[in-house]
Amino acid sequence: AQTVTQSQPEMSVQEAETVTLSCTYDTSESDYYLFWYKQPPSRQMILVIRQEAYKQQNATENRFSVNFQKAAKSFSLKISDSQLGDAAMYFCAYRSSTNTGNQFYFGTGTSLTVIP
Amino acid sequence: NAGVTQTPKFRVLKTGQSMTLLCAQDMNHEYMYWYRQDPGMGLRLIHYSVGEGTTAKGEVPDGYNVSRLKKQNFLLGLESAAPSQTSVYFCASSYNGQGSYYGYTFGSGTRLTVV
Repeated sequence: AQTVTQSQPEMSVQEAETVTLSCTYDTSESDYYLFWYKQPPSRQMILVIRQEAYKQQNATENRFSVNFQKAAKSFSLKISDSQLGDAAMYFCAYRSSTNTGNQFYFGTGTSLTVIP
Repeated sequence: NAGVTQTPKFRVLKTGQSMTLLCAQDMNHEYMYWYRQDPGMGLRLIHYSVGEGTTAKGEVPDGYNVSRLKKQNFLLGLESAAPSQTSVYFCASSYNGQGSYYGYTFGSGTRLTVV
């Protein structure tokens, strides 16, 4: 099974500043998908951004962008102009493009605090 | 559009009791999943289903059973609850996946405490 590692259990950022959350993964596959999910205190899992491994261009969604380094198997999330509503647990996830079950493999999460 | 609905949202069980968690989706998704979330361990896959009438084991299936009698419903059963099954349980669904990069749609979770 693929493994996903988030080495930062907790991070903090000043409001309006930029923060980067790290994620690395282990796979022997060449084609796959990567995701970042946000889990606020409400517990609801919210898709933030996704990246297809065959695309070299990094995905961007408004204030959220990724730095995808395929050779290094790294997929970091950058949050610009941080807002109080960004405070949440963030999970990195990997999905194979070939397995029949479409399972996701999740990292252990990074808890982000936004300081006013 | 309800998406994925989990019932109940909270439950307290005594050791040895049984219960069933219900997941219902109205998006006509083929694939459905049950995960458990524990502090410091992320989300771990318990069981999943790739279509009506099918089920398969995930990473941590012991102590759980599942059924997918109808496409829209995926049930997770605990036959004899143990304190180690205290967790938050998430159901998720997605389109059938090969070649697709759709993410999951998650339910809002069930917090289960076994005393």
